[in-house]
Amino acid sequence: KQEVTQIPAALSVPEGENLVLNCSFTDSAIYNLQWFRQDPGKGLTSLLLIQSSQREQTSGRLNASLDKSSGRSTLYIAASQPGDSATYLCAVKRSNDYKLSFGAGTTVTVRA
Amino acid sequence: GAVVSQHPSRVICKSGTSVKIECRSLDFQATTMFWYRQFPKQSLMLMATSNEGSKATYEQGVEKDKFLINHASLTLSTLTVTSAHPEDSSFYICSARVGNRGTEAFFGQGTRLTVV
Repeated sequence: KQEVTQIPAALSVPEGENLVLNCSFTDSAIYNLQWFRQDPGKGLTSLLLIQSSQREQTSGRLNASLDKSSGRSTLYIAASQPGDSATYLCAVKRSNDYKLSFGAGTTVTVRA
Repeated sequence: GAVVSQHPSRVICKSGTSVKIECRSLDFQATTMFWYRQFPKQSLMLMATSNEGSKATYEQGVEKDKFLINHASLTLSTLTVTSAHPEDSSFYICSARVGNRGTEAFFGQGTRLTVV
């Protein structure tokens, strides 16, 4: 069974600082890995999708890396802003079906 | 990205009543949709996979008679919580995929269910 862990569970930084969020998974046989943002009481917004053959994906201030062999992904958010405050979830898709396994998330607070 | 719309966003119901939650893919057809449940400060737990035109596939431990899923069209899946109890109070989120297995999953806005 795939276990997905996100550390730390919560993070508070001053505005302008770079954010580093970690995601680890136990089974390296993944199809892809996806990072999401969730605001309080809301659904999930897809941020980045990394296929198993890729090592990283970038979108604006966001960059996500994937090291499948070691079971790790890292989400970098450059020059954080108060609007980046949210919970960030990573999810991995197994190779043999459509299902996603989620981590519990990292709740980020960016202080103005 | 693709848009998934979920309705209602919040619902309060009395114990013993049933509640229906709708999940629609607005600009694409989704042969498969997924229903998740999320407890406070915990990760999403997959409840069931909803397949258009056939029976849903439920995860282990999820009562299929309590959580009725219907996927009658390529753009609509519904989750009905039957005979709701306070322990069913939770945040329910649906998801749909565009295309094949390698593509992104898109999520609805979620429904906060409170059973009193």
